Amino acid sequence: NAGVTQTPKFQVLKTGQSMTLQCAQDMNHEYMSWYRQDPGMGLRLIHYSVGAGITDQGEVPNGYNVSRSTTEDFPLRLLSAAPSQTSVYFCASSYSLSGGTEAFFGQGTRLTVV
Amino acid sequence: SQQGEEDPQALSIQEGENATMNCSYKTSINNLQWYRQNSGRGLVHLILIRSNEREKHSGRLRVTLDTSKKSSSLLITASRAADTASYFCATILFGKLIFGQGTELSVKP
Repeated sequence: NAGVTQTPKFQVLKTGQSMTLQCAQDMNHEYMSWYRQDPGMGLRLIHYSVGAGITDQGEVPNGYNVSRSTTEDFPLRLLSAAPSQTSVYFCASSYSLSGGTEAFFGQGTRLTVV
Repeated sequence: SQQGEEDPQALSIQEGENATMNCSYKTSINNLQWYRQNSGRGLVHLILIRSNEREKHSGRLRVTLDTSKKSSSLLITASRAADTASYFCATILFGKLIFGQGTELSVKP
């Protein structure tokens, strides 16, 4: 059972480039989310999804797009990378939020934008 | 704005001592969760306490919840060097799982 898998683990981008961070889970979880973690800022929610075909914005959505075509996958797209998007990105999934179930996290993607 | 805020931001103790971290939140909740993060890795769920519970135990962890004060505390007893990590509380706000800024715990051998 792989849990939540994020790829790549590390990435360096040039300003203006675009890329997609991949996230996949094999636990049939409905709720998936993306966070960024910056020093002293904790985890901030970028986008989340409560099921296939349904996405919504979190606290810091600007500059990012998401889609949820399947239950398993929830990719995060950076449209035009900026140095301010240098961060560690985490994907998480949980069976349900309303039931108060735990969230499972991927190992993170460390992104540097130069 | 953050739903949950931890206090202190950093805590340094000796092995064998107890560590207490606090979390305050702003709105009514159904449950509150605590997570642990080792040095830049993904977060790992520790414990969940529901709004109708006042205290919950899991091994060396003890969590309390005071809904009247909108606060929770995480106590780690008899700490070990391996407990060195960041600890986060998390609550659900408008259908979103929101984390606090975390407490960085350092346990010295």
